[in-house]
Amino acid sequence: AQKITQTQPGMFVQEKEAVTLDCTYDTSDQSYGLFWYKQPSSGEMIFLIYQGSYDEQNATEGRYSLNFQKARKSANLVISASQLGDSAMYFCAMREGGGGSNYKLTFGKGTLLTVNP
Amino acid sequence: DTGVSQDPRHKITKRGQNVTFRCDPISEHNRLYWYRQTLGQGPEFLTYFQNEAQLEKSRLLSDRFSAERPKGSFSTLEIQRTEQGDSAMYLCASSRPGLAYEQYFGPGTRLTVT
Repeated sequence: AQKITQTQPGMFVQEKEAVTLDCTYDTSDQSYGLFWYKQPSSGEMIFLIYQGSYDEQNATEGRYSLNFQKARKSANLVISASQLGDSAMYFCAMREGGGGSNYKLTFGKGTLLTVNP
Repeated sequence: DTGVSQDPRHKITKRGQNVTFRCDPISEHNRLYWYRQTLGQGPEFLTYFQNEAQLEKSRLLSDRFSAERPKGSFSTLEIQRTEQGDSAMYLCASSRPGLAYEQYFGPGTRLTVT
């Protein structure tokens, strides 16, 4: 079974509008972390936002927020006020297990976001 | 921080040849990770180091693959007897003590096996 599922291969959004990128996950661990990364065409993975499984508040970083719904096992990324530079691949990832263990990440297949002027 | 660097950025090799990639993590980052990303997929974990110790290896890392981090700083990933299926982007990431979950990625090495 897929541990990270991103059901949207591609998304389009108008500049200055908000967009939600979907991510669902599957784990039996109680302690885990969820991440979103951005990968522009240059190839480098850029860390955007992190949500721990015990965090009660949804994570926010500037224009990025993570809509964490634990019971549904979803961790959607919301980008507000989209900019042309937001056009890129976006990956959802998960780290299973508590602190002190390894932090290897399991990634989804990604969503290609295109921001239209 | 100068960022994670990887060398070379691109490598074209013939099937059967050996290749070696280098990763220089952000200074003072004690954890270093290697991932492989094939076209249309997310990165897949290969192996990780804490300082010089290699603590986990994925089943994806066949006997033809070996990774080292001899002094706990830079790391090398060697692929022996390359196959066309090895064509991929090889990504390196590092993280620091206390914020081990926040992995910073390098630009990757794109390998093409002809």
